[in-house]
Amino acid sequence: AQSVTQLGSHVSVSEGALVLLRCNYSSSVPPYLFWYVQYPNQGLQLLLKYTSAATLVKGINGFEAEFKKSETSFHLTKPSAHMSDAAEYFCAVSGYSSASKIIFGSGTRLSIRP
Amino acid sequence: NAGVTQTPKFQVLKTGQSMTLQCAQDMNHEYMSWYRQDPGMGLRLIHYSVGAGITDQGEVPNGYNVSRSTTEDFPLRLLSAAPSQTSVYFCASRAPGQENTEAFFGQGTRLTVV
Repeated sequence: AQSVTQLGSHVSVSEGALVLLRCNYSSSVPPYLFWYVQYPNQGLQLLLKYTSAATLVKGINGFEAEFKKSETSFHLTKPSAHMSDAAEYFCAVSGYSSASKIIFGSGTRLSIRP
Repeated sequence: NAGVTQTPKFQVLKTGQSMTLQCAQDMNHEYMSWYRQDPGMGLRLIHYSVGAGITDQGEVPNGYNVSRSTTEDFPLRLLSAAPSQTSVYFCASRAPGQENTEAFFGQGTRLTVV
């Protein structure tokens, strides 16, 4: 079954520091990959998605992710954290077992220290 | 544009009661899904549908029923509520036919079973 693994259930960084949230997928065929963000007491919204057009994907709010087939990874980064980035982030995958399903990772909660 | 609308936002049930969580979307999306979100477990897929009259089971379908009589609506029924079903439930919809289309989420229903 398709899956994604997010390393680290909680990441804490200082304001202005680099944000790195890790995601690895399990597939012999490159899947379609997504990063979603969830702010407190809200639903999920799309940050960015990988569609095979480019390995470096830019999303909203200054986030980007790089697809690395050799490492089966799709890590999310932001050069400089802002207090408003505090939220839960989910990596997700679809495409190679059923096109209609999106399967989510367990999530990483990002905290920003002043 | 309302997007995906879930009702109610909050609900408390007694063990053994039944109820229906409502989900409606106005984007003419063929694909709709129900997820539950529990701490440390991310979003787990309960049931999904690829169009009116077609539904299938996800990762955690036991104790839940769905039907899809129209494109717009995808209700989730709890047959006999149990404390293990205490969770936050999200409905999502996607445009058809493309594995890389994003899912749009409702604001969630927070359910407590006592």
